Amino acid sequence: AQKITQTQPGMFVQEKEAVTLDCTYDTSDPSYGLFWYKQPSSGEMIFLIYQGSYDQQNATEGRYSLNFQKARKSANLVISASQLGDSAMYFCAMSLYGAGTALIFGKGTTLSVSS
Amino acid sequence: GAGVSQSPSNKVTEKGKDVELRCDPISGHTALYWYRQSLGQGLEFLIYFQGNSAPDKSGLPSDRFSAERTGGSVSTLTIQRTQQEDSAVYLCASSLQGIEQYFGPGTRLTVT
Repeated sequence: AQKITQTQPGMFVQEKEAVTLDCTYDTSDPSYGLFWYKQPSSGEMIFLIYQGSYDQQNATEGRYSLNFQKARKSANLVISASQLGDSAMYFCAMSLYGAGTALIFGKGTTLSVSS
Repeated sequence: GAGVSQSPSNKVTEKGKDVELRCDPISGHTALYWYRQSLGQGLEFLIYFQGNSAPDKSGLPSDRFSAERTGGSVSTLTIQRTQQEDSAVYLCASSLQGIEQYFGPGTRLTVT
């Protein structure tokens, strides 16, 4: 069965430091997409970054990068130069057959950024 | 432009009553998804509509749950005979068959 595992319930980082949020996934399907979403205390789900299973290079979006290690089935999110506004819950998710299908979410990691 | 909207934002209902939750996707988006977020279960997929195709109902937890999408736009999620375990935030998302799913603000359902 498809599964997303986020083992860090909470992470703490100081402003301007980089932080890595861990995500491992399990699927036997060769075609899948990996996503990270941010959910601030307001409750809105905000798309951050996407990596397709056939993409050769790691995805990057501004301060966000996805460290995709296919053999290890990991898709860690790296946030560089953390900001106070990065404090939120972060969810790793997977869709089968690439993109456009339903997402399977991990349990989430709460990130707290302090000044 | 307008994002995904959901109504009501909050709903309190008594156990055993039926409820309807509404989602207005982004105009032109062909795909629409319903998810449920609860403390115990995290974020769960419920149902997925893609264009005129038959919906993927594989995530619906019981036959008390149903959803429809009229005219390829607005969707209504109906929960019949609500139970306390149905209490959760119900999130709707839409997508233009692309990568990003745009989420609405959610409806917080409380069953007393």
